[in-house]
Amino acid sequence: LAKTTQPISMDSYEGQEVNITCSHNNIATNDYITWYQQFPSQGPRFIIQGYKTKVTNEVASLFIPADRKSSTLSLPRVSLSDTAVYYCLVGESGANNLFFGTGTRLTVIP
Amino acid sequence: NAGVTQTPKFQVLKTGQSMTLQCAQDMNHNSMYWYRQDPGMGLRLIYYSASEGTTDKGEVPNGYNVSRLNKREFSLRLESAAPSQTSVYFCASSFAGTDYGYTFGSGTRLTVV
Repeated sequence: LAKTTQPISMDSYEGQEVNITCSHNNIATNDYITWYQQFPSQGPRFIIQGYKTKVTNEVASLFIPADRKSSTLSLPRVSLSDTAVYYCLVGESGANNLFFGTGTRLTVIP
Repeated sequence: NAGVTQTPKFQVLKTGQSMTLQCAQDMNHNSMYWYRQDPGMGLRLIYYSASEGTTDKGEVPNGYNVSRLNKREFSLRLESAAPSQTSVYFCASSFAGTDYGYTFGSGTRLTVV
C-alpha cells in the first residue's frame, strides 16, 4: 500500500481558501486518492475521491497532477465548522485495507 | 436513518474481562471493518470482512476476534481486556468496488482499568 505524507497541522482564518497537500510517491497504477474529514468524537466522513486531474463536489475540490505523486485538497472559504482532521488515503477503489495515517489537523480561526 | 450503528457508546472494563462490541449497517454494504483510534493517532485497522462469511486480519488484530453474523452485523470481541486496548473503536462499512468511500459509525469509547 502506498503510504502518504501530509502536514500535521494547519491554521486558517475564516473565509479563506485552504489547500492541504498530500505526498504519495509510491502510488500504484490502480490506486485512487481519497480524502476523509473527522470531527472530534465522530467517525471519519468521506469527502472526495479522484484518480487524476481535478474532481469537484459540493464540499471540496481535489487536484491531482499528471505524475499523481501528490494531491491537494482544496476547501473554499472555510468556516469554523471546517475545523477537523483531514486524512489522505491512497489505495484501490473499494479496497479493504485502507491506511489512515495521522491526518492534518485544520484549525479555523475567527 | 440509514447508516452504521455501534453499541455501546461507552464502556469501562476491568483487566481480564471480556466484552463484545456490536455493529450493524442498513445500507446493504458487503464490506465491514473495525478500526481503533488512540489519542492523537490515526485509525488502525483491526479486522475486516470483505463479504458475508469472510473475515481477515488488519494491521493490529492481536487480542481481538470478530464475527460476521450476517450481511448487516459485524461484531468485535475482546476475550481478555488489557489496558493497552483502551481506545475508541470505529466500525465502518462500504460497497466494495465503488467510489463512495467508507461510512463510519459514531464510535465506542472503551476504557480498560
